[in-house]
Amino acid sequence: GAGVSQTPSNKVTEKGKYVELRCDPISGHTALYWYRQSLGQGPEFLIYFQGTGAADDSGLPNDRFFAVRPEGSVSTLKIQRTERGDSAVYLCASSSTIQRGVYNEQFFGPGTRLTVL
Amino acid sequence: SQKIEQNSEALNIQEGKTATLTCNYTNYSPAYLQWYRQDPGRGPVFLLLIRENEKEKRKERLKVTFDTTLKQSLFHITASQPADSATYLCALGGTGRRALTFGSGTRLQVQP
Repeated sequence: GAGVSQTPSNKVTEKGKYVELRCDPISGHTALYWYRQSLGQGPEFLIYFQGTGAADDSGLPNDRFFAVRPEGSVSTLKIQRTERGDSAVYLCASSSTIQRGVYNEQFFGPGTRLTVL
Repeated sequence: SQKIEQNSEALNIQEGKTATLTCNYTNYSPAYLQWYRQDPGRGPVFLLLIRENEKEKRKERLKVTFDTTLKQSLFHITASQPADSATYLCALGGTGRRALTFGSGTRLQVQP
């Protein structure tokens, strides 16, 4: 079956612009995560959705970052007034239904490489 | 603050040998630990999960140990192959928190 897909694969924008990054999770996965990865570092958590609601947004660095998942499937990460420091690879991951005490693997997409000039 | 340390220097080994990667953590009491593989330009791929009450997990040529007293996990690849060359990430998860906290990864290079 299809894995997690992300579009675009690359995005180049200018400082101050607005960008949207899209994630299509694996069909049926209720949990969706956004991470950000800088060169030479591991992924850094941004936000986690369980269904349509953001269950944990503690990783969002500031109020320029926002994410939605209106129908519990596709998610969009939105970044306003981009800064050069926002340049990174933005990874999306999904996992199957969350159950208490069950820790499921996360399936990652290929990422969107964002470059802010 | 929570800190996860993986050897930042690349690990170079000969084909057929056992590769051992280390993950140390501080200021954290994880409920479980996961290991992922990441190839250049791609997202991480899940390999193994081990819970806090488990000492060791195996899957084919892979073995993970978890010592919550030492706050350390070791990841072993036996009979290594050039195709095992990649960056390996450890990630910790807490009870009730689904987000993973990743280390910075260790790059493994297996020479033929």
